Amino acid sequence: AQSVAQPEDQVNVAEGNPLTVKCTYSVSGNPYLFWYVQYPNRGLQFLLKYITGDNLVKGSYGFEAEFNKSQTSFHLKKPSALVSDSALYFCAVRERWDYMIYNQGGKLIFGQGTELSVKP
Amino acid sequence: DAGITQSPRYKITETGRQVTLMCHQTWSHSYMFWYRQDLGHGLRLIYYSAAADITDKGEVPDGYVVSRSKTENFPLTLESATRSQTSVYFCASSESRDRSSADTQYFGPGTRLTVL
Repeated sequence: AQSVAQPEDQVNVAEGNPLTVKCTYSVSGNPYLFWYVQYPNRGLQFLLKYITGDNLVKGSYGFEAEFNKSQTSFHLKKPSALVSDSALYFCAVRERWDYMIYNQGGKLIFGQGTELSVKP
Repeated sequence: DAGITQSPRYKITETGRQVTLMCHQTWSHSYMFWYRQDLGHGLRLIYYSAAADITDKGEVPDGYVVSRSKTENFPLTLESATRSQTSVYFCASSESRDRSSADTQYFGPGTRLTVL
């Protein structure tokens, strides 16, 4: 069964330091991978996605993520954290269409979420 | 550009009552989804729809009913609410143009439902 794991419930970083939020996945075949961010009392906002090609994906707000097929990981990174980056981050995976019945659509499997706290 | 909206944003109801949560999107996306968010469980898919009049169960469909008579609307009904259905509910939509695409899901602001 496909799954996504975010091994850290919380990550604490000082402002200006680099940050990493970890994600590992398990799916059949090559996955499509996503990162979303959720600010308090808000819906999820899309940050970036990996489909194919370059293993380093750049997204919104200075975030990037590195796809590592051998380690089945898709860690979210930012070179210099901001206090405003404090939020809940979700990794998600979706199977490629080739492995799915058409009407099943692009369902996402989400990780548990990681609370990022950036202190001044 | 309204995007995707949900109503109500907050709802308190009692056990056994019927509750309908509304979701409306202005993008004419084909796919729509309902998730619930609970501490320790992340987001779990309740139901989804590939197009008008096409719906299917997700991971946790029990106790919920959906319909999709129009592309832009995807209401979620709790026929007889239970306390275990206290949660935050998110609607999302996406447009999948072909089998090789990986279209992003866009989320509404959520509905916080409390069942007493």
